[in-house]
Amino acid sequence: KQEVTQIPAALSVPEGENLVLNCSFTDSAIYNLQWFRQDPGKGLTSLLLIQSSQREQTSGRLNASLDKSSGRSTLYIAASQPGDSATYLCAVDEGGSEKLVFGKGTKLTVNP
Amino acid sequence: GAGVSQTPSNKVTEKGKYVELRCDPISGHTALYWYRQSLGQGPEFLIYFQGTGAADDSGLPNDRFFAVRPEGSVSTLKIQRTERGDSAVYLCASSSLGGNEQFFGPGTRLTVL
Repeated sequence: KQEVTQIPAALSVPEGENLVLNCSFTDSAIYNLQWFRQDPGKGLTSLLLIQSSQREQTSGRLNASLDKSSGRSTLYIAASQPGDSATYLCAVDEGGSEKLVFGKGTKLTVNP
Repeated sequence: GAGVSQTPSNKVTEKGKYVELRCDPISGHTALYWYRQSLGQGPEFLIYFQGTGAADDSGLPNDRFFAVRPEGSVSTLKIQRTERGDSAVYLCASSSLGGNEQFFGPGTRLTVL
């Protein structure tokens, strides 16, 4: 059974810092890994999708990497802004199925 | 519509009542998913539709939960004899045929008193 762990559970940084969020998963037989952002009381916004054949994806100030063999992914946020404050969730498919298995998320606070 | 929509946004009901939660996927998306998110947790998979059929319902917790998608577009999640433990945010997502990225709606917050 696929399990996803996100470290740290919470992170507080001053504005302008670069930061890394970590995600690990137990079963490396995945097809996709997806990073999401969730604002309080809201749904999930897809940030980046990495297919298993890819090693990284970039969108603006965000860069996500995938090391499938070691079961790890990182989300790098450059030059953080207060508007980046949210919970970031990592999810992978389970055994190539369509369903996503999520971590508990990392709650990020960027202080002005 | 431009994105996945869910109605109602909030639902308060009493223990033992029946509720229906609705999801409108992104136009043209053939795959539709339901997840449930409890406070402080990541979403947990409930059921997945490809077209009109439920391709994977392994996440439904018990037989009080049922979902339909009769015309391959809108889906309804139905919960019978609600219990306080059913209180959570119910999220719906959709993806295109052959697409891997899931797009989520805003969720329905269900509170069972």
